[in-house]
Amino acid sequence: AQSVTQLGSHVSVSEGALVLLRCNYSSSVPPYLFWYVQYPNQGLQLLLKYTSAATLVKGINGFEAEFKKSETSFHLTKPSAHMSDAAEYFCAVSEEGGTALIFGKGTTLSVSS
Amino acid sequence: DARVTQTPRHKVTEMGQEVTMRCQPILGHNTVFWYRQTMMQGLELLAYFRNRAPLDDSGMPKDRFSAEMPDATLATLKIQPSEPRDSAVYFCASGLELAGGRNEQFFGPGTRLTVL
Repeated sequence: AQSVTQLGSHVSVSEGALVLLRCNYSSSVPPYLFWYVQYPNQGLQLLLKYTSAATLVKGINGFEAEFKKSETSFHLTKPSAHMSDAAEYFCAVSEEGGTALIFGKGTTLSVSS
Repeated sequence: DARVTQTPRHKVTEMGQEVTMRCQPILGHNTVFWYRQTMMQGLELLAYFRNRAPLDDSGMPKDRFSAEMPDATLATLKIQPSEPRDSAVYFCASGLELAGGRNEQFFGPGTRLTVL
């Protein structure tokens, strides 16, 4: 069965610092991986998605994630945090593009000035 | 700017009442998903439709929840009777599933349900 583990329910960084949000997945077949962001009182917005074309995936707002099969990881990074990045971030996996997503528990990112 | 719309955005009701949540998927999308978000459980899949046919509703309490797609532009999630433990934010998402494709899901803004 597929599953996603997000290490750290809460991450705090200073503005301008590196952002690293961790995600490990479990899947018996090559996974489809996604990162979504949720701002307060809003729905989820796709940040980026993994396609087999490249292991380093670039998304919106300066975020990127690297797929590492050997580590079963898909960590999300951003070189320099901005105050507007404060939100909840969800990693998700599905075995096929059209099936439902299995979400991690989410990581709340706080950015201080 | 195509978006998934959900109504109502907020609903407060009393235990035992019927609740109906509606979702309008993005035109042309052929998959619709219902998720429930709570602090304790996070995001959970309740039901999933492809081309209006229900494919997976294993995450839904069958005795009180029902999900339907009367037509391609409307998906409904109904709770009857509602209970306080149903209080949550319910999200609808739609996507376009293509053969071999890795389609993304587009989420609506959610319906925040409070059952007193």
